[in-house]
Amino acid sequence: LAKTTQPVSMDSYEGQEVNITCSHNNIATNDYITWYQQFPSQGPRFIIQGYKTKVTNEVASLFIPADRKSSTLSLPRVSLSDTAVYYCLVAVTGGGNKLTFGTGTQLKVEL
Amino acid sequence: DGGITQSPKYLFRKEGQNVTLSCEQNLNHDAMYWYRQDPGQGLRLIYYSQIVNDFQKGDIAEGYSVSREKKESFPLTVTSAQKNPTAFYLCATRGTGGTYEQYFGPGTRLTVT
Repeated sequence: LAKTTQPVSMDSYEGQEVNITCSHNNIATNDYITWYQQFPSQGPRFIIQGYKTKVTNEVASLFIPADRKSSTLSLPRVSLSDTAVYYCLVAVTGGGNKLTFGTGTQLKVEL
Repeated sequence: DGGITQSPKYLFRKEGQNVTLSCEQNLNHDAMYWYRQDPGQGLRLIYYSQIVNDFQKGDIAEGYSVSREKKESFPLTVTSAQKNPTAFYLCATRGTGGTYEQYFGPGTRLTVT
């Protein structure tokens, strides 16, 4: 399984753009990259998934370079409510589509 | 109202007792998963099931058991063989199609003393 590495924590201020980068050097050809958000004492919530280049939805963008060994989650204009743990995961195609969670990045947004 | 129900939210047990955590879904999803989360850590996969009457061990299955007799239900039993059962337990489902989105329940916090 592809192991992911991401910063332990990040700090930001309201209104700023936040970019969280994740490395996944051993990603396999058919694997997808997914990101989840988790608030304390809640289950994680899916944010976005991608395979290559750029994916955008109503809450975030995901940038994936051609070699796919890393990815960057971009959160535009964060607010206090974006304070949470963000997990980068590689979704293994087949075999139950298991997800392997790392320790994530604790994002703290201040006024 | 579609979703995943986990009950109870908090559960207390004495050491040496087996305990069963409930997970029910009405999303009509085939795949279901059980995760364990310890403080400050990520989620670890215990068991998963891709279809009724079938399930596979995850990364930390020792001391746990599951059943999948109905599509809607995937109960997890924490046995007395689990050395450190106190944790936050999360159930999740995944639908079919090309998405890797998993839907998580609210979780059960189990405390064993």
